[in-house]
Amino acid sequence: GEDVEQSLFLSVREGDSSVINCTYTDSSSTYLYWYKQEPGAGLQLLTYIFSNMDMKQDQRLTVLLNKKDKHLSLRIADTQTGDSAIYFCAENTGRRALTFGSGTRLQVQP
Amino acid sequence: DAGVTQSPTHLIKTRGQQVTLRCSPISGHKSVSWYQQVLGQGPQFIFQYYEKEERGRGNFPDRFSARQFPNYSSELNVNALLLGDSALYLCASSLGGQGAVGANVLTFGAGSRLTVL
Repeated sequence: GEDVEQSLFLSVREGDSSVINCTYTDSSSTYLYWYKQEPGAGLQLLTYIFSNMDMKQDQRLTVLLNKKDKHLSLRIADTQTGDSAIYFCAENTGRRALTFGSGTRLQVQP
Repeated sequence: DAGVTQSPTHLIKTRGQQVTLRCSPISGHKSVSWYQQVLGQGPQFIFQYYEKEERGRGNFPDRFSARQFPNYSSELNVNALLLGDSALYLCASSLGGQGAVGANVLTFGAGSRLTVL
């Protein structure tokens, strides 16, 4: 079955790097995504990576994909208080539906 | 350009009632998907429509139904509401189809928050 797992909570100090981890089970996943959700809001697409890539960098965001271990990570450099939110990892297996993890709450302390 | 718009933003219903939620996709997007997000959890897939046809259905009871209109907007209907239907209902749109890189990348709306009393 499909299952995307994330740790529930991460706390960092402003200016430090944050690393949010995710594991997935479906080796046929074609795209893997990171979404951000602020309180009371919808989901904001941060970045995505195609399954034939190992890494993708976009400004302060770096995504690493280890297909062998089915592990995905999101690194946020120079974390700011505005980065405080819940971050969701999601996989697309080609069945046109995303399977989401339960989300990691990132708390950035000043 | 407007993003994905959903209405209403908030609504309160009682058990047994019916609700209709509406979604307008990004201009040019032909696919609409619906997700349910219960408090404290990740979104769960309900339906996907492309060119007015249902392309996917999640593990939800028949009380949930949807449709897509010729202008690609969509409605989600839920009948015989239960307390457990209280959630944020998210609509997402994408280009749809195959071939184009990122054709299935979803852009989400802000959601409709349903409270069932």
